[in-house]
Amino acid sequence: EVQLVESGGGLVQPGGSLRLSCAASGFTFSSYWMSWVRQAPGKGLEWVAIIKQDGSEKKYVDSVKGRFTISRDNAENSLYLQMNSLRAEDTAVYYCAKYDASGDWARAFDIWGQGTMVTVSS
Amino acid sequence: DIQMTQSPSTLAASVGDRVTITCRASQSLNSWLAWYQQKPGKAPNLLIYKTSSLESGVPSRFSGSGSGTEFTLTISSLQPDDFATYYCQQYNSFPLTFGQGTKVEIK
Repeated sequence: EVQLVESGGGLVQPGGSLRLSCAASGFTFSSYWMSWVRQAPGKGLEWVAIIKQDGSEKKYVDSVKGRFTISRDNAENSLYLQMNSLRAEDTAVYYCAKYDASGDWARAFDIWGQGTMVTVSS
Repeated sequence: DIQMTQSPSTLAASVGDRVTITCRASQSLNSWLAWYQQKPGKAPNLLIYKTSSLESGVPSRFSGSGSGTEFTLTISSLQPDDFATYYCQQYNSFPLTFGQGTKVEIK
């Protein structure tokens, strides 16, 4: 079964740090771009960051550049998001998502995890 | 950045109705447009990719169309399981962006 399972969310004070993890199974993890997408309470979806299969290319939404770092360990089938200098506006459910960018039939975010909640508050 | 604008924001409909949701992009997407369904407390689920391709396992009452900057998601006959929020998303260029969502409610 194809599955993504996030962990690492929780309550953190403004200015603090948190590291999210995503464990992948059921597909060849190293063959796909992987991404993080977040959703603030009661709001819509916002793409956060993405990483290429071999980690050689990373992209971020402007609001997290310089604060968040996406990484992956293909040997462990795991995706990570290191979040530093957290702000109240980073409060959201963070989803790990598989990004299918394969040629003419790219399918965007075809597999999603269940999400992990990050709350930034004093 | 490509801005995505969905309409309407909320839609009230009855079981059996034909429902259409529109998504407009600020630039041409070259068909790289996806649609997702999200139910409360759940992760989004891919319905349509590349404007009109139906994801495996998705009922055929869902269809997508459009080109350039204007796209539509159509549900041919609304079923009880379809009451949810729907999002469009462009993947033509980074940053990847979503529409603000359309909530389909029971009339």
